[in-house]
Amino acid sequence: GAGVSQSPSNKVTEKGKDVELRCDPISGHTALYWYRQSLGQGLEFLIYFQGNSAPDKSGLPSDRFSAERTGGSVSTLTIQRTQQEDSAVYLCASSLGTSDPNEQFFGPGTRLTVL
Amino acid sequence: AQSVTQLDSQVPVFEEAPVELRCNYSSSVSVYLFWYVQYPNQGLQLLLKYLSGSTLVKGINGFEAEFNKSQTSFHLRKPSVHISDTAEYFCAVGLTGGGNKLTFGTGTQLKVEL
Repeated sequence: GAGVSQSPSNKVTEKGKDVELRCDPISGHTALYWYRQSLGQGLEFLIYFQGNSAPDKSGLPSDRFSAERTGGSVSTLTIQRTQQEDSAVYLCASSLGTSDPNEQFFGPGTRLTVL
Repeated sequence: AQSVTQLDSQVPVFEEAPVELRCNYSSSVSVYLFWYVQYPNQGLQLLLKYLSGSTLVKGINGFEAEFNKSQTSFHLRKPSVHISDTAEYFCAVGLTGGGNKLTFGTGTQLKVEL
């Protein structure tokens, strides 16, 4: 079956511009996660959704970052007024639920480059 | 707060040799432990997981890991590696009751050479 998909696969933007990153989870998965993978660092948790609600936004690095999920499916991560330190690979994952320990299935990521 | 340490950023090894990738964690509560593999230009794929029960866990592609509570470790091993095992490996910890949020280590790049 179809896995987690993310778009775009690559995004180059100029400092100060806004960007939107999209994630399509596996059908039927109620939980959705966003992580950031910076060069030389591990994956950094950003936010997760259970349905359309985001119980934990603790990983969002600043108020320039926001995310939403509609219809319990697609999610969009928005970064406003991008900065060079936002350059990273943004990974999305989904799981059947958040009752641990459901396996998280990852998408291929969006590589964001801020010039 | 929990944390994961992967001390080795890179591990070179010859084909058919054994390998061990180290992972240590810290947490004040019970944890679940995972190893993920990331091949070039691909997403993460689950190799194996420890939830409870037997401390020796077997995963895909001939990998296994042993949970050692006293040493707070979850090292990944393979008795004989192949060129195709060249990838980045991430150890991750999830807290019981933590809503499935994972904390990842910084990764270990395994490079298998002929």
